[in-house]
Amino acid sequence: DSGVTQTPKHLITATGQRVTLRCSPRSGDLSVYWYQQSLDQGLQFLIQYYNGEERAKGNILERFSAQQFPDLHSELNLSSLELGDSALYFCASSLAGGPDEQFFGPGTRLTVL
Amino acid sequence: DQQVKQNSPSLSVQEGRISILNCDYTNSMFDYFLWYKKYPAEGPTFLISISSIKDKNEDGRFTVFLNKSAKHLSLHIVPSQPGDSAVYFCAASAQTGANNLFFGTGTRLTVIP
Repeated sequence: DSGVTQTPKHLITATGQRVTLRCSPRSGDLSVYWYQQSLDQGLQFLIQYYNGEERAKGNILERFSAQQFPDLHSELNLSSLELGDSALYFCASSLAGGPDEQFFGPGTRLTVL
Repeated sequence: DQQVKQNSPSLSVQEGRISILNCDYTNSMFDYFLWYKKYPAEGPTFLISISSIKDKNEDGRFTVFLNKSAKHLSLHIVPSQPGDSAVYFCAASAQTGANNLFFGTGTRLTVIP
């Protein structure tokens, strides 16, 4: 158990819909990262927050947005969903914003029908 | 553009023998490298890391080797055990800036008892 929790575990929705994925980092960790893993792909970095502020952006679509709240939990919002958005979404946390190890949650499997 | 590449999607090794997993990268700005292990239905788990100031880092049965001139790293597992069967991801980051990781596509290791 990494100490990072993600909800829900599975999500099935239709094209055009909007969903919210939630992540609670390990106790004490200030940085939260979101990654997307599509079929047979490596994890693709989406976005990072550090202590409530956006720190870095990767290959995140404009239809996607995220935020980190004062209690340090984070939410990833996916809107106008398309079939290609079906993937595993992982949240990771680390103590600081520097190059230390990231601890991953179990992921949310999103299926868009 | 895949900046971190794992060209072997799978590897089978006999129990007790050495497992060697390989990883290549293209971005010369990468200076911190990590290996993660992933079991089905779980998030990736940090295994071992190496900074670019070193060429080897060892932790028990796991050793990571870094060849900066070839932009290549490898993970050695000796001796391999059936419990090591998992997908192994290589990841890299650049210490200048954000800590987001660039992942390879993974190598599925099967250790045969």
